Amino acid sequence: KNEVEQSPQNLTAQEGEFITINCSYSVGISALHWLQQHPGGGIVSLFMLSSGKKKHGRLIATINIQEKHSSLHITASHPRDSAVYICAASYGNKLVFGAGTILRVKS
Amino acid sequence: NAGVMQNPRHLVRRRGQEARLRCSPVKGHSHVYWYRQLPEEGLKFMVYLQKENIIDESGMPKERFSAEFPKEGPSILRIQQVVRGDSAAYFCASSYRTSGGRYNEQFFGPGTRLTVL
Repeated sequence: KNEVEQSPQNLTAQEGEFITINCSYSVGISALHWLQQHPGGGIVSLFMLSSGKKKHGRLIATINIQEKHSSLHITASHPRDSAVYICAASYGNKLVFGAGTILRVKS
Repeated sequence: NAGVMQNPRHLVRRRGQEARLRCSPVKGHSHVYWYRQLPEEGLKFMVYLQKENIIDESGMPKERFSAEFPKEGPSILRIQQVVRGDSAAYFCASSYRTSGGRYNEQFFGPGTRLTVL
């Protein structure tokens, strides 16, 4: 069964803190996605990666294929980073989503 | 910046009515995906379409739901005889493929929030 597990489920941080969200998947995938969803809003694709590491601004995503594990890091967090972060594994044509991590960054 | 467009953004239907959700992909994208997000639940894959073809509908409920992506015009997700349990956010995404068939990033639309009274 293709499963995607995310942790933590909820995360509250103080502005400026370094944040890590973790994602594990159960079987081999073709790509791993990190998505951001704001309350009542749409979904933004942050990263798609199949190996190594990607960086965009204060966001960094890493993946370890052997361990079937990916992390999303946010450096110097800001209240505007508050959102739901979703990990999704690509199994061929379809995405299997984690339950999401609700991040709240307090000023 | 013509991203994925979905309309309507909000749709209210009474039980037994039909709901039609539209998705216009990014210009040049020929692959469309529909996902459903039930209240307090995660996103779930429903169907994957290419122009005029359904490629994978393994996530679609067996009855009342159908999807199409015609040669011209938007992709349509149709729900017949809606029930309260159909209330959810429905997201569409689109992508393109390289000539080698490699999977590419999906771009998501803003979603349609369906409420069934």
